[in-house]
Amino acid sequence: DSGVTQTPKHLITATGQRVTLRCSPRSGDLSVYWYQQSLDQGLQFLIQYYNGEERAKGNILERFSAQQFPDLHSELNLSSLELGDSALYFCASSVGGGGMNTEAFFGQGTRLTVV
Amino acid sequence: GENVEQHPSTLSVQEGDSAVIKCTYSDSASNYFPWYKQELGKRPQLIIDIRSNVGEKKDQRIAVTLNKTAKHFSLHITETQPEDSAVYFCAASYNFNKFYFGSGTKLNVKP
Repeated sequence: DSGVTQTPKHLITATGQRVTLRCSPRSGDLSVYWYQQSLDQGLQFLIQYYNGEERAKGNILERFSAQQFPDLHSELNLSSLELGDSALYFCASSVGGGGMNTEAFFGQGTRLTVV
Repeated sequence: GENVEQHPSTLSVQEGDSAVIKCTYSDSASNYFPWYKQELGKRPQLIIDIRSNVGEKKDQRIAVTLNKTAKHFSLHITETQPEDSAVYFCAASYNFNKFYFGSGTKLNVKP
């Protein structure tokens, strides 16, 4: 167990809907990263938060947004869902986020299926 | 931005043989290079990493090499075992502000 908790584990929803994925980082970790992994594909970096502030942004669609709350948990909001958004969404956390040598620990992922 | 390329996409070896997976990166500022192993249906797990001030690092049967000049790094697995079968991802990061992953290598170790 990495200590990173993601909920829900599975989510099935219809096109056009909006969903929220939740991530609780390891105790003491300040950085949260979100990744999208489509079927048989690699990990696409979406966005990173560090201590409540957006630190880095990757290939995140405008329909997607995220935030990190004062208790350091993070939520990834996906709206106007399309079939192509079906994927495994991973959250990872690390202690640092800028200049600190720490590894990122991954959660178990949320499998989103858009029908 | 950073671009990480990983080869091969699939690799099949006989048990006991060595496996080598290679990655190249584009941003010379990247200074941290982790490797993750992802078993089917599970989360990626860090197996080894290397920082830009180190050329090689070993951990039992696993080793990673880094060539900063050429901007490439490689994962070496010796004496492969069936339980090594998984998808391996390389990644490059600058000060942990982003992690750019390669497309993954599916390793199959045949008993």
